[in-house]
Amino acid sequence: DADVTQTPRNRITKTGKRIMLECSQTKGHDRMYWYRQDPGLGLRLIYYSFDVKDINKGEISDGYSVSRQAQAKFSLSLESAIPNQTALYFCATSDLGRERGYTFGSGTRLTVV
Amino acid sequence: AQKVTQAQTEISVVEKEDVTLDCVYETRDTTYYLFWYKQPPSGELVFLIRRNSFDEQNEISGRYSWNFQKSTSSFNFTITASQVVDSAVYFCALSGHGSGNTGKLIFGQGTTLQVKP
Repeated sequence: DADVTQTPRNRITKTGKRIMLECSQTKGHDRMYWYRQDPGLGLRLIYYSFDVKDINKGEISDGYSVSRQAQAKFSLSLESAIPNQTALYFCATSDLGRERGYTFGSGTRLTVV
Repeated sequence: AQKVTQAQTEISVVEKEDVTLDCVYETRDTTYYLFWYKQPPSGELVFLIRRNSFDEQNEISGRYSWNFQKSTSSFNFTITASQVVDSAVYFCALSGHGSGNTGKLIFGQGTTLQVKP
């Protein structure tokens, strides 16, 4: 089983719909992150969380919200999806005391039509 | 503010050529970490290397090598004798460790490498 699991892997949704992307981890890490990838822009941080009670906005949080339901779960919601939110979304956890530092999920490819 | 710049958007080489991917970073932190990731067409991010700011030793792993130079704030990645399987998008990334550090990983824009047979 993957250390960081994202569901769904692919999703097509309509403009205006609410959608939730889910992330769960078995690493036991406190820190979790949501990133968005667009061609030519790299990965940009949407939200991050240091623990269940500590959630912070990243550089592109507008139009998104998150929920940290437990240490292992961090969900990203699009309240009213719009086409320019079409992107590849990654969830990650971190522990800089470990060699790799960050563990990424496999990504969720979201298309808003 | 922290920033990572990968000036090369796309690189195309013929198999067996050597290729260097450039990465320049900006940070005010004295302790930080630098990373390289590979993203094949399947989309997942594959960890390649992590470097700590206090360790400027160059690293070699098979056909891959990394040159870390604090004096020029660069962390370049060289693939020797490139192969078609090296075709991917490569990301350089930075994580600071200063006061108020949030552990955020800041990515460059990525370099798309195409290796032709």
